[in-house]
Amino acid sequence: DGGITQSPKYLFRKEGQNVTLSCEQNLNHDAMYWYRQDPGQGLRLIYYSQIVNDFQKGDIAEGYSVSREKKESFPLTVTSAQKNPTAFYLCASRIQSSYNEQFFGPGTRLTVL
Amino acid sequence: AQSVSQHNHHVILSEAASLELGCNYSYGGTVNLFWYVQYPGQHLQLLLKYFSGDPLVKGIKGFEAEFIKSKFSFNLRKPSVQWSDTAEYFCAVNLLYNTDKLIFGTGTRLQVFP
Repeated sequence: DGGITQSPKYLFRKEGQNVTLSCEQNLNHDAMYWYRQDPGQGLRLIYYSQIVNDFQKGDIAEGYSVSREKKESFPLTVTSAQKNPTAFYLCASRIQSSYNEQFFGPGTRLTVL
Repeated sequence: AQSVSQHNHHVILSEAASLELGCNYSYGGTVNLFWYVQYPGQHLQLLLKYFSGDPLVKGIKGFEAEFIKSKFSFNLRKPSVQWSDTAEYFCAVNLLYNTDKLIFGTGTRLQVFP
């Protein structure tokens, strides 16, 4: 069954700790994305990657880091430098076409205490 | 900077009422347009999309949207809503000079009461 998995669904961390969110896809998509969703602000792009070993900053990359060592995996690290990390994080991927239709994972809700 | 505006932040309707959610974007070039829906506890999923051709597009679950280029709008409509349409709806725009990125609106929360 193809799709995007994100784990865990809920994550709690203490302030000052780095935390890594997992995103895996078996859709054979080339491009992958990380978004942050906050109430009333929609989805904001953190980082994206078009191919393995390459990624670009999105609109709100400060305090985050990513890696893309494998086509199917695009983990996001929320560092202690992120001022307001508590949010809902969504991973997405897309097939290479002119339409940029993105497919989304179930999300991870991160709460920093 | 390019942006997408959804003016209705929270909409409350009774079942069988008609729905129209507004979406406007600020970009003069060629765009692809999307509506995504997020049902409670579920993945964000594509409702419908417009790339070219007939400006009236039909999506899943009886939804449709009309692209009006002169108004930079892509409003979502449904003639008769159901309780199961309760969800958050996001409009998104893809600029054809930069197909890597989707620009999302802030979302509209729809509550439908029986």
